[in-house]
Amino acid sequence: DAGVTQSPTHLIKTRGQQVTLRCSPKSGHDTVSWYQQALGQGPQFIFQYYEEEERQRGNFPDRFSGHQFPNYSSELNVNALLLGDSALYLCASSQTGGNTEAFFGQGTRLTVV
Amino acid sequence: AQRVTQPEKLLSVFKGAPVELKCNYSYSGSPELFWYVQYSRQRLQLLLRHISRESIKGFTADLNKGETSFHLKKPFAQEEDSAMYYCALAGGTSYGKLTFGQGTILTVHP
Repeated sequence: DAGVTQSPTHLIKTRGQQVTLRCSPKSGHDTVSWYQQALGQGPQFIFQYYEEEERQRGNFPDRFSGHQFPNYSSELNVNALLLGDSALYLCASSQTGGNTEAFFGQGTRLTVV
Repeated sequence: AQRVTQPEKLLSVFKGAPVELKCNYSYSGSPELFWYVQYSRQRLQLLLRHISRESIKGFTADLNKGETSFHLKKPFAQEEDSAMYYCALAGGTSYGKLTFGQGTILTVHP
């Protein structure tokens, strides 16, 4: 099991552009959460997907949207990129129900110039 | 609202010395507390969770509801413990949404 995989690992975009980040959860996991980690800060919850629907959302604008596919993989989309969106984006997967551990991917480093 | 505070950004100790990484939280219900660790060039991984009450790599953490704290302790630090440590909280009905502190960089000197 490769664990949680994210792609791409690094990305450079121009202000105003749109970006899509991808995440494949750990085998057996059905829930995917996305976090933004700015430099020197702890990860901040963006949203969580379960059964192909957004189940919970953090304090992020509508420019941040996502999707979950039937195979449980997920995408994070950010529109109208701002310089402040530059961060490490982490995906975490877990199994809903019970006290299960969240496993994190290596992250995608997004730089907006 | 959920909040996690790690007051120390940096912590340095010598090998063999005791270490304590502080974590305080704010949550009105019954939280679930975690410590995550990130070693150099590795992904974030779970170190321990309060409900399991186990010791991992010599680290322990006790949930003190009166002081709303979940400090991480190890009696004898090792050089391989050098890493970034995050305290995190999940609320009872949050479906596993984690609120993280800002992290503490632990450096263990030889």
